[in-house]
Amino acid sequence: KAGVTQTPRYLIKTRGQQVTLSCSPISGHRSVSWYQQTPGQGLQFLFEYFSETQRNKGNFPGRFSGRQFSNSRSEMNVSTLELGDSALYLCASSLEQMTRSEQYFGPGTRLTVT
Amino acid sequence: AQKVTQAQTEISVVEKEDVTLDCVYETRDTTYYLFWYKQPPSGELVFLIRRNSFDEQNEISGRYSWNFQKSTSSFNFTITASQVVDSAVYFCALSEAATGRRALTFGSGTRLQVQP
Repeated sequence: KAGVTQTPRYLIKTRGQQVTLSCSPISGHRSVSWYQQTPGQGLQFLFEYFSETQRNKGNFPGRFSGRQFSNSRSEMNVSTLELGDSALYLCASSLEQMTRSEQYFGPGTRLTVT
Repeated sequence: AQKVTQAQTEISVVEKEDVTLDCVYETRDTTYYLFWYKQPPSGELVFLIRRNSFDEQNEISGRYSWNFQKSTSSFNFTITASQVVDSAVYFCALSEAATGRRALTFGSGTRLQVQP
């Protein structure tokens, strides 16, 4: 089975711009979660989607949003980028909603905001 | 609030040594799940183990073993006869079953360097 894929792998954007990251879960997995990883804050949960509905949301500003499509693929969007948004964004998929089954992570998208 | 503490920031060992990575957690729930993930230099988090709060049995998988002790809120990870390929950052994580707190809360990670 193919693993979780994320595109693009690397991205450089300018402050004030917006960005969309994409995640394709493992085939058959219905839950997709997003995490931000930075050297200062570590790994932090952004949100989880299950059956096209946001089920959980972390403590991030409204500039961070996401959605999930009927095929379980997910996108996250960050508007009005700030320097502090530079991070590795990791997507994880699981068979069921979070905690009921293991989450499998993709390779991440490294976003650099200049 | 849930919290995971990995007090060891970095550990360096020589190949074939045994090494234990510590993880202490805090939670107010009686039902929760504990995880260990490995993050090699490539960046992808690799799932190692999931343990629920009702199962305190220790687990062994090859050179890896896990010791879960609810009495001390710890979920430690031991690598026996370490190898260079074990070099990575290891994360311990916790999630609660209660609605609204299901997200994984990660520790700050322990960087393990295994020298040849």
